[in-house]
Order: sequence, then C-alpha cells, then structure tokens
Amino acid sequence: NAGVTQTPKFRILKIGQSMTLQCAQDMNHNYMYWYRQDPGMGLKLIYYSVGAGITDKGEVPNGYNVSRSTTEDFPLRLELAAPSQTSVYFCASRTNYRGMNTEAFFGQGTRLTVV
Amino acid sequence: AQSVAQPEDQVNVAEGNPLTVKCTYSVSGNPYLFWYVQYPNRGLQFLLKYITGDNLVKGSYGFEAEFNKSQTSFHLKKPSALVSDSALYFCAVTSTGANNLFFGTGTRLTVIP
Repeated sequence: NAGVTQTPKFRILKIGQSMTLQCAQDMNHNYMYWYRQDPGMGLKLIYYSVGAGITDKGEVPNGYNVSRSTTEDFPLRLELAAPSQTSVYFCASRTNYRGMNTEAFFGQGTRLTVV
Repeated sequence: AQSVAQPEDQVNVAEGNPLTVKCTYSVSGNPYLFWYVQYPNRGLQFLLKYITGDNLVKGSYGFEAEFNKSQTSFHLKKPSALVSDSALYFCAVTSTGANNLFFGTGTRLTVIP
C-alpha cells in the first residue's frame, strides 16, 4: 500500500514555464487536496476535490489549475510560473467512513523553486 | 466559515516536563479536529483526531488532546516531553457536511535537554 505518492520530489522552473505536479493515491479515497507550505508558514489550501470530475477552489487558487478524471489521480498544473509560487506542495487524501470524516494522509511533498 | 488558530508560533519546554500546544477553532456545525506533526523535510504525520465521543482523545507517541466545546479549543498535550518530540505541529479542522480541510499556521515545539 503506497498511500499518497507525489512526483517529482524536487523541481526548478524558470519564470514563465509551466509544469504539472502529480499526485496519486491507492486508498480509494474520494477527497483529495493540494496545499502549499511557504518557508516558516502553515499550509494553505489551493484546490480540493470530492470525487472524480468535481473540483473546487481553496484559499489560494490563483495561478493553478487541477483536474480529477479518476479517483486515484489529482494533478496540479502551474501555468506561467512566478517566483511567488516557490514553495513546498503537499497532496493529501481522505475518505468519509459511516458519515464521519477520517484523517487525511499526506504525500512527501514536492519542493518547487521558480527562478 | 471554518478557521483554526494556533496562537503560539514557538513553544519551548524542558525534557521531562509536560507540554501543551494550543489550538482554537471556529466552524458551523459539528467540528472534526486533527493534530499532525511534521519533522524537517518530511510530510505531515497524523497524531490524533476528535470526531465524536470522549472529550479526551489519545493518539500516537503518548500524545493526547482535550476537546472543549465551550472554549472551542483542542489543545495537544503530553505528560512528559522528549527531545525527539521537537517538531512542527499543526491543528486542522473540518466539520459535518464540509468538504475542505483547513490547517493552522503551525507551532514549533522545541524540547530542551
């Protein structure tokens, strides 16, 4: 059971480039999340999804896009990378058991630097 | 709207002493509350959760947390701190019927030998 897998672990982008951060989970969780963690700061919610085909904005969605074509995958797309997007990105997933929200499971993160 | 606050950026405690990391929340509906720990250059690890039932929740590594509905708090505690407990701790909240999951700004715990 791999849990939540994020790729790549590290990436350096030039300003204006684009990339996709991959996230996959093998726990059949319906909820998936993308967060960013800036140095010395907490986690900010970028986007989330409650199931395949359904996504919604979080606190800081500008400059990002997501899609959820399958239960397992929730990629995060950065268009026109900017230095302000330098951060560590975490993907997480959770489910709902007997009507109650379970804890979220996190990937190991992707460290992105935009130069 | 949901929110969670961790009023202390930094908590220092001597090894062997009890520790408390504070968390307060605001939700509409019944809260679901979580504590996570993050070690350097790692992802977040789940410690414990309050969903319903007993207000005192026990979790991993000897940690526990007390849910206080009247004070809207969910403070993390441990009777005797270890140096290895030094890490960044996050409180998180969601609620009945809510799909998002919000985190506090984190509290850095340092246990001094």
